[in-house]
Amino acid sequence: EAGVTQSPTHLIKTRGQQATLRCSPISGHTSVYWYQQALGLGLQFLLWYDEGEERNRGNFPPRFSGRQFPNYSSELNVNALELEDSALYLCASSLGTGVPDTQYFGPGTRLTVL
Amino acid sequence: AQSVTQPDIHITVSEGASLELRCNYSYGATPYLFWYVQSPGQGLQLLLKYFSGDTLVQGIKGFEAEFKRSQSSFNLRKPSVHWSDAAEYFCAVGAGGGADGLTFGKGTHLIIQP
Repeated sequence: EAGVTQSPTHLIKTRGQQATLRCSPISGHTSVYWYQQALGLGLQFLLWYDEGEERNRGNFPPRFSGRQFPNYSSELNVNALELEDSALYLCASSLGTGVPDTQYFGPGTRLTVL
Repeated sequence: AQSVTQPDIHITVSEGASLELRCNYSYGATPYLFWYVQSPGQGLQLLLKYFSGDTLVQGIKGFEAEFKRSQSSFNLRKPSVHWSDAAEYFCAVGAGGGADGLTFGKGTHLIIQP
């Protein structure tokens, strides 16, 4: 069974540009989560999508947004990139069947903002 | 709000020796607890989880963890470490159902001495 996949592996952008990161969940999983792992800040919850809807977001500005498609894959968009957005962005998926639930992570996308 | 503390930033252990990584959590309701491992530049791999029942849980790669509600702890153990265990280990607590995503500790970097 294929795990969570993310693309691209690496992404280099300049300040002010937009970045788009993609995630495909494990087959049968309907929930997708996005996390940011920045140096010195640890792993922080960004967004949660389930059944095509944004269900919750962490303490991040609105320029971090995304969507979930009918096939449950997801996209994270970061607008007006800032230097401090440089981080590893991890996507996770889960069955989305409620409490409790286990999240399985992808390999991540390394975003570098110059 | 929930929180997770991993008191040890770095731990050095000789190959073949036993290991214990500490994790303390703060959460108002029933915690759902996880340990993940991250190799350099990689995503997170689930080692084990605790939802309910037996407080000693077994995971992959010979790891186990014990949930102690009275101490708000969920320490990870392994009787004999291998050089391949060198990695970053993260403890996480979840509310279940994805409401706030997972809250992670800062991680413990495990170094294995030959």
